[in-house]
Amino acid sequence: AQRVTQPEKLLSVFKGAPVELKCNYSYSGSPELFWYVQYSRQRLQLLLRHISRESIKGFTADLNKGETSFHLKKPFAQEEDSAMYYCPPRGPNNAGNMLTFGGGTRLMVKP
Amino acid sequence: KAGVTQTPRYLIKTRGQQVTLSCSPISGHRSVSWYQQTPGQGLQFLFEYFSETQRNKGNFPGRFSGRQFSNSRSEMNVSTLELGDSALYLCASSSGTGVFYEQYFGPGTRLTVT
Repeated sequence: AQRVTQPEKLLSVFKGAPVELKCNYSYSGSPELFWYVQYSRQRLQLLLRHISRESIKGFTADLNKGETSFHLKKPFAQEEDSAMYYCPPRGPNNAGNMLTFGGGTRLMVKP
Repeated sequence: KAGVTQTPRYLIKTRGQQVTLSCSPISGHRSVSWYQQTPGQGLQFLFEYFSETQRNKGNFPGRFSGRQFSNSRSEMNVSTLELGDSALYLCASSSGTGVFYEQYFGPGTRLTVT
């Protein structure tokens, strides 16, 4: 069964500091991982997916199959990055679009 | 293009009653998933419907049920409400299945059971 662990419930950093939100997963088969973000009073929305290998809003995430991790990183945090972040895996393949959410990490970027 | 809409946005019910929540997906999306969000359990998958068929179901009691109509609109029903059913219920729609397809979430329906 898919399982994801986000060890930090709250991560507080100062503006301009690097930030890393940790995500560890257990997965059967080929993992499909995402980062979703929920800003205050907004809907949950996709930030990036593991196959993208692109930077979205300055965030990147690398899938490390050896360590079974998919940490989200940004070199210089901005106040507008303050939000709730989730890294749910999708699947398994016969489970349609089911996402398995962990507890999430609340990122607070202080001025 | 209009986003996912959920009605009603807020609901207060009494223990033992039943409730029906509605989700209208983005036009053209045939997949609708439902999630329950609570402070204690976080976001938990309830079920997914695709082309009017339930494709997958989470670990919830049979009091939780759903359906999807031919226009892809979906409803979920909770019978014999319990205090623990108080939660934000989110639905998400997608145009396909797999890592290349984004799921778009609605604003949620906040259900309070008293």
